Amino acid sequence: NAGVTQTPKFQVLKTGQSMTLQCAQDMNHEYMSWYRQDPGMGLRLIHYSVGAGITDQGEVPNGYNVSRSTTEDFPLRLLSAAPSQTSVYFCASSYSPPPQGRGTNEKLFFGSGTQLSVL
Amino acid sequence: AQKVTQAQTEISVVEKEDVTLDCVYETRDTTYYLFWYKQPPSGELVFLIRRNSFDEQNEISGRYSWNFQKSTSSFNFTITASQVVDSAVYFCALINNDMRFGAGTRLTVKP
Repeated sequence: NAGVTQTPKFQVLKTGQSMTLQCAQDMNHEYMSWYRQDPGMGLRLIHYSVGAGITDQGEVPNGYNVSRSTTEDFPLRLLSAAPSQTSVYFCASSYSPPPQGRGTNEKLFFGSGTQLSVL
Repeated sequence: AQKVTQAQTEISVVEKEDVTLDCVYETRDTTYYLFWYKQPPSGELVFLIRRNSFDEQNEISGRYSWNFQKSTSSFNFTITASQVVDSAVYFCALINNDMRFGAGTRLTVKP
């Protein structure tokens, strides 16, 4: 059972480089989301999607882009990496989207995380 | 504005002790959901419990129990007879139209 697969596990970038964090789920979940985890701040929602073709901003969207061309995949793009984007990134999915707003009331299934360092 | 406060940054106990992790939340909504997630040293986040705002029944699952009190806007988590495998960071989260996680409490259980 794959669940939510996130790649890569570790990445080091130089300031200004671009990269894409991959996220795929095989559970046919409608809701997918990206978070960053910083010390003392818990998880903060970057972007989310309630279905293929639909994305929206979370709490901290600046510097990140997303797309949802299929139900399974939800990549996160850093167009021009900055040291402030050094963090641990998590992708998560759940069965159904919320009736309104950003947060799903279903339990989240998380990927294993990506530790990103921007020098 | 929504907010989740986990005032205990780190807790250290000895195995078999009981420990309570506090979670206090702020919201103006009457309908919301509260969650607890566990992040063990391996890094992944694991769902523990979900509670909606209309269900104030406390819940027990093995050594874990949760005390939801709307009057004090708290959703505390107690581990009874703690074990070394309980060592992890625990996050409380509030979900309604938005999603807010607490900063987490790092629990260390020593043998």
